[in-house]
Amino acid sequence: SQQGEEDPQALSIQEGENATMNCSYKTSINNLQWYRQNSGRGLVHLILIRSNEREKHSGRLRVTLDTSKKSSSLLITASRAADTASYFCATGRGGSARQLTFGSGTQLTVLP
Amino acid sequence: EADIYQTPRYLVIGTGKKITLECSQTMGHDKMYWYQQDPGMELHLIHYSYGVNSTEKGDLSSESTVSRIRTEHFPLTLESARPSHTSQYLCASSPNRVQETQYFGPGTRLLVL
Repeated sequence: SQQGEEDPQALSIQEGENATMNCSYKTSINNLQWYRQNSGRGLVHLILIRSNEREKHSGRLRVTLDTSKKSSSLLITASRAADTASYFCATGRGGSARQLTFGSGTQLTVLP
Repeated sequence: EADIYQTPRYLVIGTGKKITLECSQTMGHDKMYWYQQDPGMELHLIHYSYGVNSTEKGDLSSESTVSRIRTEHFPLTLESARPSHTSQYLCASSPNRVQETQYFGPGTRLLVL
């Protein structure tokens, strides 16, 4: 089964609201990354949080990591229509320093 | 925008044809990857490379093959395309550090009739 699983699968909110997406994983990690994918495009890296970090900010993004629960959350504050995209978490496999495993993603729709 | 390119962006082809999907990056990254992604689904790693003349198969079994003769190029080839190969193929690269950021190309949407 996949390493990262996002929740919810789809989320629809109004512009200006906050969006929260969650990711759970199964094995030990060195870091966890969040990526964004616009429809029909490649993925764009948003933020990386290391296993010894609990929270990280980047602009309107806030990521938390709870290694005891093997979970992470991505919060987008003051959402905009342009934030509409799929968001994926990605984790490195336990013991492997070289590959990422991606979850199935959360489809976020921000309504104007 | 990352300096990683894929061509073609879209390809519609008949069953049995041989196809090559091109991927190139100008960042000097040692690591390169090919993922397969069906609409609305997760990415599956099908091939990766840690450098010139190094290629490995990923988790998802694929009938495609890859080569890495030059650092900047990582083409993927299907000798005989089938409808089951219809998907989006994403190429990515990363620097030679532990689990750092991957940079993705725009993808190739393949439709095999």
